[in-house]
Amino acid sequence: EIVLTQSPGTLSLSPGESATLYCRASQSVFSDYLAWYQQKPGQAPRLLVYGASSRATGTPDRFSGSGSGTDFTLTISGLEPEDFAVYYCQQHGFSLWTFGQGTKVESK
Amino acid sequence: EVQLVESGGGLVQPGRSLRLSCTASGYTLGDYPVSWFRQAPGRGLEWVGYIRIRSSGWTTEYAASVKGRFTVSRDDSENTAYLQMDSLKIEDTAVYYCSRALRINGDAFDVWGQGTMVTVSS
Repeated sequence: EIVLTQSPGTLSLSPGESATLYCRASQSVFSDYLAWYQQKPGQAPRLLVYGASSRATGTPDRFSGSGSGTDFTLTISGLEPEDFAVYYCQQHGFSLWTFGQGTKVESK
Repeated sequence: EVQLVESGGGLVQPGRSLRLSCTASGYTLGDYPVSWFRQAPGRGLEWVGYIRIRSSGWTTEYAASVKGRFTVSRDDSENTAYLQMDSLKIEDTAVYYCSRALRINGDAFDVWGQGTMVTVSS
């Protein structure tokens, strides 16, 4: 099973600042099957990025994903008030799906 | 509008069974794989089970934590997927979400239900 480790656990930033979230896999992620989700309290997750770098429909272009192999990054360029939330990375391989433990982006 | 709606959650005693339903609207459920996820109170997301589409034999996959106890199925004629949960344990307490795979390879999930709460307690 591929284990995903996200860092940092919490990011305290102000609106307008940029956020960089990291996701490291315990082994290489198959064919870049790496996705990022945003979750707000009491809501279902929302897909932001799939295939490591492709934005999902409706994802603002201030969100960008990058990386390959075992190291992946989600960058939010210029935080908007609605971006404060928990972010999860997720991978698919060997007929299993696993998530990282999440990064909370909170308002400073 | 494309959406998924879960139902069937509630309070159940340990060792008992519960069946969750996931009904799709705005699209044809049968064209997409479906997955179930859960989130225990205050915890992160956990994958539970997955069912492929007809052309892939409707085959299923399960997380080790539920294998042998949970069963994912689908009735494409009813646009509904199911999660049958047997031999429930206290640690199965969570909000359960169904979701639609974005692509046939099932690498990401673009439509999610609102979730249904399952509480396992005596």
